[in-house]
Amino acid sequence: EVQLVESGGGLVQPGRSLKLSCVASGFTFSNYGMNWIRQAPGKGLEWVAYISSGSSYIYYAETVKGRFTISRDNAKNTLYLQMTSLRSEDTALYYCARPLYYYSSYGFAYWGQGTLVTVSS
Amino acid sequence: DIQMTQSPSFLSASVGDRVTINCKASQNINKYLDWYQQKHGEAPKLLIYNTNNLQTGIPSRFSGSGSGTDYTLTISSLQPEDVATYFCLQHSSRYTFGAGTKLELK
Repeated sequence: EVQLVESGGGLVQPGRSLKLSCVASGFTFSNYGMNWIRQAPGKGLEWVAYISSGSSYIYYAETVKGRFTISRDNAKNTLYLQMTSLRSEDTALYYCARPLYYYSSYGFAYWGQGTLVTVSS
Repeated sequence: DIQMTQSPSFLSASVGDRVTINCKASQNINKYLDWYQQKHGEAPKLLIYNTNNLQTGIPSRFSGSGSGTDYTLTISSLQPEDVATYFCLQHSSRYTFGAGTKLELK
């Protein structure tokens, strides 16, 4: 069974940093590109970042470019999101998501339960 | 960046109704569009990928269509368990979600 378990969220002051993790199991993690997607309280979904299976390709939403860094450790089956210079508008539930097929970048078929990041003084 | 305009924002329908939700892209997205269902307190669930491919385990009352800039999710006969918020997602160029459609029972 595919499982994605996020952690690392919490309350953080504006301007500070936080690092999220997503531990994957039930599939060959190193074969799949992975994504971070967030959802502000009561709001819609926003794609945040993508990393290819071997970390060769990395893309960010304009809203986080230069502040967030996506990375992965295939030996540990873990996806990361390093967030710096946090702002109140970064407050959201952060999901990691896996595509349907190893060769696709679409169809987010598997999601974690999310980890909540609250940016407030 | 590609913008996605989803409509309506809110929809009230009766059990058995045919329901349609629309997404319009700011440019041609070549059918690179998915649909997701999100129930309260849950992670989104993939319903349809690449415009009209039904994800495994999703009831056949859900279908998708469209091309170019205009796409539609159709629920042929609304069931009580379909109450949820629905999002489209373009993946032609990076990723952009629509703002969502909240579907409730009348």
